[in-house]
Amino acid sequence: DIQMTQSPSSVSASVGDRVTITCRASQDISSWLAWYQQKSGEAPKLLIYVASNLHSGVPSRFSGTRSGTEFTLTITNLQPEDFATYYCQQTDSFPRTFGGGTKVEVK
Amino acid sequence: EMRLVESGGGLVKPGGSLRLSCAASGFIFSSYNMGWVRQAPGKGLVWLSSITTRSTSSLYYADSVKGRFTISRDDAKRTLYLQMSDLRVEDTAVYYCARLSVWRPFDIWGQGTMVTVSS
Repeated sequence: DIQMTQSPSSVSASVGDRVTITCRASQDISSWLAWYQQKSGEAPKLLIYVASNLHSGVPSRFSGTRSGTEFTLTITNLQPEDFATYYCQQTDSFPRTFGGGTKVEVK
Repeated sequence: EMRLVESGGGLVKPGGSLRLSCAASGFIFSSYNMGWVRQAPGKGLVWLSSITTRSTSSLYYADSVKGRFTISRDDAKRTLYLQMSDLRVEDTAVYYCARLSVWRPFDIWGQGTMVTVSS
C-alpha cells in the first residue's frame, strides 16, 4: 500500500499569512494526488485534484504543486474561513490512502 | 443540486451488523464510481471501499474491512450501500459516502452518518 506522510500535523497562522502543507508519497504516484479541506463538524470538500488543478469554485489563493513524490498545498493570503484541517489523498491506486491531516489554527 | 444523503447509522453491539445507505440526487448516479470513507472521533479520514459503474463492475476494499464490509449499488434506486458485519469497537466512526470524479478524487460528499459500536 502507498503511504502518505503529511506535515506538519498542525500550523498556527494569522489572517493574511502564507501557509504551506506538504504530503510525501511512499512511492511514485505520478500527479495522482488530491487535497481536501474539512471544517469542524462538516464533510470534507475537494480543493485540488491531479496535484495542481483547482476544483470548481475553490478560491485561487489555494494552489498545489508536485516535485517527484512530494506534493505541496499552499494557501496565500490566509482568510478567516481557511482555518480548517487539510488532507491529501493519493488517487493513483487502491487502497486510496489519505495523509494524516494538517490542522491550520489561529495564531 | 448534486447531493448525497447517508442513512442507517446508529448504535450496535460488537459482532453486530448494520447497513448504510446513500441516496444520490442531481446527477446521473449510474455513470459514476462511488465510495465510502470513515472518520473515527477526533481522527483523520480513512478510505474504506469503492465501487465502479456497472459497466466495469469492480469492488475495492481497505484491508481493515475486507471480508466484513460489502459495498453495492442499486442504480435504479440511485443508492449506494455499505453492508457492515462483525462490527468492532474500532469501527466506531462517522461514515461518509462520496462520488468519485472523472479525475479520481471524491468531488461530492454526503453529510455523514454516525456508527457507534459499543456494548
